[in-house]
Amino acid sequence: GAVVSQHPSRVICKSGTSVKIECRSLDFQATTMFWYRQFPKKSLMLMATSNEGSKATYEQGVEKDKFLINHASLTLSTLTVTSAHPEDSSFYICSARGLAGGIGTDTQYFGPGTRLTVL
Amino acid sequence: RKEVEQDPGPFNVPEGATVAFNCTYSNSASQSFFWYRQDCRKEPKLLMSVYSSGNEDGRFTAQLNRASQYISLLIRDSKLSDSATYLCVVTPSYNTDKLIFGTGTRLQVFP
Repeated sequence: GAVVSQHPSRVICKSGTSVKIECRSLDFQATTMFWYRQFPKKSLMLMATSNEGSKATYEQGVEKDKFLINHASLTLSTLTVTSAHPEDSSFYICSARGLAGGIGTDTQYFGPGTRLTVL
Repeated sequence: RKEVEQDPGPFNVPEGATVAFNCTYSNSASQSFFWYRQDCRKEPKLLMSVYSSGNEDGRFTAQLNRASQYISLLIRDSKLSDSATYLCVVTPSYNTDKLIFGTGTRLQVFP
């Protein structure tokens, strides 16, 4: 149990375009999903926390107008990188935590990540 | 000072060796502690939680020293499949949902 998927796994786009990344909890309901970014040889950095049906909470230094997060249901959150630039090229990983009392509540379960390359 | 610090390595050890990693954290009020494993270009996976009393899972032993603010991971009888980056993770007291990752320690086990 507690499987999280991400789509796409890899995306290459031109500078100025927008890219949407989906994060799904496949076998559990996730009230909270998290978005991280990891640059090469660096640690994962939390970008934002999203709760189903409410606005995401962004970490300091993360532009909410650039990284749009939507958590419309208990199994889906999306991250849209708007007007992407080469410096946005990174590994984006989501994680999910399940509903209290259900599966997936003991920790965060990570998706396989999306590698974004902006040309 | 970084919130979570780890020696990046790499640690190159032969199969069967015992290897230990340490990690220090800066916030004494940190709430929970974990070790994750991350393979190259993959997502991190939870290896084990770390408890004040110490805990063991097969060949892996984790210890927490709150007074000195460090966490350790001991791997006995290393296998080739243990080659990966080991991430030390803490949660702050103000938000136990927030995972703060170290940069990881790279382990390479050779035959």
